[in-house]
Amino acid sequence: QQQVKQSPQSLIVQKGGISIINCAYENTAFDYFPWYQQFPGKGPALLIAIRPDVSEKKEGRFTISFNKSAKQFSLHIMDSQPGDSATYFCAASKGGSYIPTFGRGTSLIVHP
Amino acid sequence: GAGVSQSPSNKVTEKGKDVELRCDPISGHTALYWYRQSLGQGLEFLIYFQGNSAPDKSGLPSDRFSAERTGGSVSTLTIQRTQQEDSAVYLCASSRMSQIQYFGAGTRLSVL
Repeated sequence: QQQVKQSPQSLIVQKGGISIINCAYENTAFDYFPWYQQFPGKGPALLIAIRPDVSEKKEGRFTISFNKSAKQFSLHIMDSQPGDSATYFCAASKGGSYIPTFGRGTSLIVHP
Repeated sequence: GAGVSQSPSNKVTEKGKDVELRCDPISGHTALYWYRQSLGQGLEFLIYFQGNSAPDKSGLPSDRFSAERTGGSVSTLTIQRTQQEDSAVYLCASSRMSQIQYFGAGTRLSVL
């Protein structure tokens, strides 16, 4: 049973465009929603995270939008750059548990 | 060390052989996780160590998989009688009692 569904599986964007990756979750007990970025041959690294008490969090070109009622959250990458080409994972975890559930990942390619 | 260190970076083995994968977490991190990453399958949780508590082994796929953590630091993941379906990247992460995980670069295991 996949508790965090991520889409799309792959995404191709032109340089300067907006990349949008979506995730949906089922467990309403989740209270921490991080996004990880993984480059080839490297481990995932935390990119940005949000808690359900806010609807949006922005860090530079990266923004998380969170819709608690719909149980969905998304990552927006503004002014996408070729250096953003990587695999992105959303995740969710619940208070008291430090074991997150990961989405299946989105392979992003930004063409120059 | 500055980050989570995993060794070897690549391991090729024959079906039926045992393998050991090593993880050196970030100094001071009390939590340690093992994940398996298969192509297109995201991150599959395997096992979680937290301090001196009993490990959470709920993600181990079979009794051929085991892990230990010595002295609250270094961890070894052992796969006995390897099968071809065990081929994947095995990732280790550590954390300082928070929901932010720091990943190593992984060990790519190929079972021939």
